[in-house]
Amino acid sequence: DAGITQSPRHKVTETGTPVTLRCHQTENHRYMYWYRQDPGHGLRLIHYSYGVKDTDKGEVSDGYSVSRSKTEDFLLTLESATSSQTSVYFCAIHGQGTDTQYFGPGTRLTVL
Amino acid sequence: GQQVMQIPQYQHVQEGEDFTTYCNSSTTLSNIQWYKQRPGGHPVFLIQLVKSGEVKKQKRLTFQFGEAKKNSSLHITATQTTDVGTYFCAGLFGNEKLTFGTGTRLTIIP
Repeated sequence: DAGITQSPRHKVTETGTPVTLRCHQTENHRYMYWYRQDPGHGLRLIHYSYGVKDTDKGEVSDGYSVSRSKTEDFLLTLESATSSQTSVYFCAIHGQGTDTQYFGPGTRLTVL
Repeated sequence: GQQVMQIPQYQHVQEGEDFTTYCNSSTTLSNIQWYKQRPGGHPVFLIQLVKSGEVKKQKRLTFQFGEAKKNSSLHITATQTTDVGTYFCAGLFGNEKLTFGTGTRLTIIP
């Protein structure tokens, strides 16, 4: 597996609180992605990054923001968490020389 | 946006039976990839198909890419308990980002 870690692995929070998820890679890959996974929806792209300070929106970006100040770290922030954001969040990196993606272990977020 | 439809959503098979999942797109794909996610795990890349009509095999798994590059299938022969999980296809449209199908969850009845 590629060197990708996510933290925290599990989090329970309350509606209205801010939450930040971290993705860390040791592969020095340029591209990083945040997905959410929900039953019946598969993996949906939230935001992605194509370099330090270069980010763009995916198909389900509302309510989320991202930052990438270093190549190895990609942060996903929920400014004010809602119950609809309860999900499993996966970070992925773009493999070198291919289109394939390598996923982190995931973060299970529950918003009460 | 572009969509990749995947069926069935669930499949329960007896151990030793075959299994197939299908992906379809309304527009031509640059390539299609397949991933497997074990229960409680993360998606893991299996294979990528690029050429029209391409067929690739990995032991008991056979992957096909349609002639029009709009559909693909994954077939598992003689399923084993280790095949349990959710199988995702992911299509690449031109230079856009990967679009994942909704996945097929495979359960095996021993």
